[in-house]
Amino acid sequence: GQQVMQIPQYQHVQEGEDFTTYCNSSTTLSNIQWYKQRPGGHPVFLIQLVKSGEVKKQKRLTFQFGEAKKNSSLHITATQTTDVGTYFCGQGAQKLVFGQGTRLTINP
Amino acid sequence: GAVVSQHPSRVICKSGTSVKIECRSLDFQATTMFWYRQFPKQSLMLMATSNEGSKATYEQGVEKDKFLINHASLTLSTLTVTSAHPEDSSFYICSAGTGGHGTQYFGPGTRLTVL
Repeated sequence: GQQVMQIPQYQHVQEGEDFTTYCNSSTTLSNIQWYKQRPGGHPVFLIQLVKSGEVKKQKRLTFQFGEAKKNSSLHITATQTTDVGTYFCGQGAQKLVFGQGTRLTINP
Repeated sequence: GAVVSQHPSRVICKSGTSVKIECRSLDFQATTMFWYRQFPKQSLMLMATSNEGSKATYEQGVEKDKFLINHASLTLSTLTVTSAHPEDSSFYICSAGTGGHGTQYFGPGTRLTVL
């Protein structure tokens, strides 16, 4: 199946700083989904992007899907301690294949 | 959103025993459910696709005789780890979709520890 590479693996920021995680694929993706997993918890669906060049926002979170539908990013503006967790991108029409995840830790 | 439950949330067993994990879609029907495995600080690895009324589809490298999957109804899939060994200790998570482009709703996970 199609693989997605996610970077960085870890990111530590000061509270209030911005954060971005990226997913890249060598092939065109039909869609990209983003999930958040809090420490000790399970993945929770955040958003799905389907269209080329699509940009969606959820409060401080901005999600982008590249024009070629081969990459995507999640950007958090002014991080808060509640943003701590691992962010996964996933792709697939039926079964999801996940990226490696980016673990975000925040220094309050 | 859709709710998926998983039971038990935590299980400790002796090596050589079998453990059954249940995954239920509480407010929707799911013809397909998915089973994932997650080691500490790692990503979710898809193990198999559970299909209601038919055989599960296993990912490459996953032993179907080791991880038995049964999807007997539209709201229940079970994963049985047979003859568990310490290396089977992991976090097992199921998910189910409501159709469309494949948005998945995850269960809370089952942490298995094999002594």
